[in-house]
Amino acid sequence: GQNIDQPTEMTATEGAIVQINCTYQTSGFNGLFWYQQHAGEAPTFLSYNVLDGLEEKGRFSSFLSRSKGYSYLLLKELQMKDSASYLCAAPTPNDYKLSFGAGTTVTVRA
Amino acid sequence: EADIYQTPRYLVIGTGKKITLECSQTMGHDKMYWYQQDPGMELHLIHYSYGVNSTEKGDLSSESTVSRIRTEHFPLTLESARPSHTSQYLCASSEPNKNGYTFGSGTRLTVV
Repeated sequence: GQNIDQPTEMTATEGAIVQINCTYQTSGFNGLFWYQQHAGEAPTFLSYNVLDGLEEKGRFSSFLSRSKGYSYLLLKELQMKDSASYLCAAPTPNDYKLSFGAGTTVTVRA
Repeated sequence: EADIYQTPRYLVIGTGKKITLECSQTMGHDKMYWYQQDPGMELHLIHYSYGVNSTEKGDLSSESTVSRIRTEHFPLTLESARPSHTSQYLCASSEPNKNGYTFGSGTRLTVV
């Protein structure tokens, strides 16, 4: 199975940067996902890392270190609409089922 | 635009009722999944399917059952609902070896 840990909550001000860390222990490795989930809504795909390094997509970037079992999601120029839960997820290698972390609730304040 | 649809969006029912939560996708994905999520908690996989006539139980034990008679349709049924079944149920699908899932909008079930 997959064991995924991330902080429960983080607070930041509008325009700031926040980094959400995720550590994982997986039976094999087949990439790492980040999803965004607004309250009461379904998760939406943000990023997927399978190789080490930083992947940048506009205001959001995701980093992976396979040797350390570590990833982070970086949110820049925070906006109020970024207030949401951010889920770290890893698929099992053979059958590709996704296991999710408990999610990090990010609150953006004016 | 969503290509995976769940109905109903919200449902309040009495204890002991039988209910079916609908999930349909128009993307032709073979793999489909049901997750259960309590407020503020993580998603737990309760059922999955890798194609027609294929269904498996997930990591979290659930009293619900599923069927997969058509590729696009993956309904979840509770034969006798109880208050402990109150939760959000999320359906998802994915292509083989593709990145990530596409989620439906979810069904928020309340059993009173």
